[in-house]
Amino acid sequence: QQQVKQSPQSLIVQKGGISIINCAYENTAFDYFPWYQQFPGKGPALLIAIRPDVSEKKEGRFTISFNKSAKQFSLHIMDSQPGDSATYFCAASKNGNNNDMRFGAGTRLTVKP
Amino acid sequence: DTAVSQTPKYLVTQMGNDKSIKCEQNLGHDTMYWYKQDSKKFLKIMFSYNNKELIINETVPNRFSPKSPDKAHLNLHINSLELGDSAVYFCASSPSLASGELFFGEGSRLTVL
Repeated sequence: QQQVKQSPQSLIVQKGGISIINCAYENTAFDYFPWYQQFPGKGPALLIAIRPDVSEKKEGRFTISFNKSAKQFSLHIMDSQPGDSATYFCAASKNGNNNDMRFGAGTRLTVKP
Repeated sequence: DTAVSQTPKYLVTQMGNDKSIKCEQNLGHDTMYWYKQDSKKFLKIMFSYNNKELIINETVPNRFSPKSPDKAHLNLHINSLELGDSAVYFCASSPSLASGELFFGEGSRLTVL
């Protein structure tokens, strides 16, 4: 069963716009929520991660918003650039345990120039 | 310097054949993994090894056999290949099981005809 549900499946944004990708999880024991970025022909790479003791984490143009009561978290990409075009995966795990890491199905982001 | 390298990058083979994929990491990590990414981009863990010991085998057919000769290497051997084995296989590593961040290789695309 899919423990982390991600939407949308694909997203097209104009350059300079805001990209928003949403994830929802079921297991309340999850306490580590990373986002991975995957370019075509490459492996996923960690972009940014959050733990539930904060509601928001920002790194440059990338922000994670976390809503513990709703069991949802989202990735916001501000001032989206064509170079941000990639597939984004949310994930969740317990105690940062990689064996328990559950990935969302991925969102293919296209940023048009 | 590639941190996690896997070979070959592409594999095309006939049903029933046996094939191997090799993985090496030069990050000094204790834990290595094999992930399968299907045609819908869904990422699923197959195996994890910690200090050369098998920690997890996530309901993978026993046609798949991982081998870790040392901490820096984790190879994947697949017997009697089936059409459904066609996927991209990613090797990954992490400093420990609970470190949170996964470092992925570039993937090996297996096509079974």
